[in-house]
Amino acid sequence: AAGVIQSPRHLIKEKRETATLKCYPIPRHDTVYWYQQGPGQDPQFLISFYEKMQSDKGSIPDRFSAQQFSDYHSELNMSSLELGDSALYFCASSLWEGMNTEAFFGQGTRLTVV
Amino acid sequence: DAKTTQPPSMDCAEGRAANLPCNHSTISGNEYVYWYRQIHSQGPQYIIHGLKNNETNEMASLIITEDRKSSTLILPHATLRDTAVYYCIVIVGGTSYGKLTFGQGTILTVHP
Repeated sequence: AAGVIQSPRHLIKEKRETATLKCYPIPRHDTVYWYQQGPGQDPQFLISFYEKMQSDKGSIPDRFSAQQFSDYHSELNMSSLELGDSALYFCASSLWEGMNTEAFFGQGTRLTVV
Repeated sequence: DAKTTQPPSMDCAEGRAANLPCNHSTISGNEYVYWYRQIHSQGPQYIIHGLKNNETNEMASLIITEDRKSSTLILPHATLRDTAVYYCIVIVGGTSYGKLTFGQGTILTVHP
């Protein structure tokens, strides 16, 4: 079965550079979530989208922005990168069909800022 | 969303059942109990969820107490590959309606 696809899997950037992470949800899924997981930490919610509209927002820095496109894929844009942005970034998708659904996660993008 | 409490770590022998408890004493009527796990540095993996009734799928069973204040995830025959961090998450209306809050999961170690 198709899963959530994230690209790239690994990314190395220098401080103050920008990075764009991409997420392709499971076909027919209309909701996308982004999470950040620092070293030794639990995943932390950043932001989510439903039908291309932002549906919820967590502890996402102002330097980060995200959007969901008409084909439901999503991109997380990160500017003025800092060393502390080094983390695993996960995307998850689900189908907004009412109650009782589950979210499926991609394998993540490992961002290293040097 | 209701707060959950899980033991920080548990051990289990391979082939035995692993029973992971979760306390969610402030759960409200429209909140579901979800279980996810994360194997080192991989994306979190959905395991099972329920509202009131016990649930079973190919991975695990979920037992929810009658008062819904606690639950137990059961891996019937644990293998070494089940070693992971297990998260119990309570959320209104399922994941369609909001974010998952990961925190204070149980590190399950399955040993030979």
